[in-house]
Amino acid sequence: DTAVSQTPKYLVTQMGNDKSIKCEQNLGHDTMYWYKQDSKKFLKIMFSYNNKELIINETVPNRFSPKSPDKAHLNLHINSLELGDSAVYFCASSAPTSGSTDTQYFGPGTRLTVL
Amino acid sequence: AQSVTQLGSHVSVSEGALVLLRCNYSSSVPPYLFWYVQYPNQGLQLLLKYTSAATLVKGINGFEAEFKKSETSFHLTKPSAHMSDAAEYFCAVSDGGATNKLIFGTGTLLAVQP
Repeated sequence: DTAVSQTPKYLVTQMGNDKSIKCEQNLGHDTMYWYKQDSKKFLKIMFSYNNKELIINETVPNRFSPKSPDKAHLNLHINSLELGDSAVYFCASSAPTSGSTDTQYFGPGTRLTVL
Repeated sequence: AQSVTQLGSHVSVSEGALVLLRCNYSSSVPPYLFWYVQYPNQGLQLLLKYTSAATLVKGINGFEAEFKKSETSFHLTKPSAHMSDAAEYFCAVSDGGATNKLIFGTGTLLAVQP
């Protein structure tokens, strides 16, 4: 069973289009994240939701909008795609435990290419 | 603000040789430190993490890391490299607070030569 899954795995689209990436976790975790990995492999957090509530919103253009219909799902919608949005997007999840930080489990990534 | 620095974007070792990947951190609070591995075209997998228990942390696949507060370091080692260890390795720090935000280093690509 896949713990954190993302669809699609590859996404090729034209500039100006709107696209969505879906993420689902079956680990029973409360917290989910979106990270962006650029062409130099640098990873940066974009958003985090805890029990469907937004708790991290980094300096991301407002063309990016996360949506969490329930705590097992966190989708990422991107409007008016730009060339610079080309990257690999990773979803992750973690379970809160008191007194320590929690391991984040990552999905396989979605490679977005904007032409 | 917290940060991590990984020295050496590329490291090449021979099969059977010692693997040493360097990570230094900066944190104003006791840090929580992680090493993740990324195999080609895959997601990240946790190798090990330090959460203020033992300073020597053992992880999967024979890797371990030692937390040294005096040197603000958390270097990753493996006594004997295997071809299957070839991958990108990321060091990360978290404040362990409500957001549990991970801040990643720039990664080190490990190549293992036969």
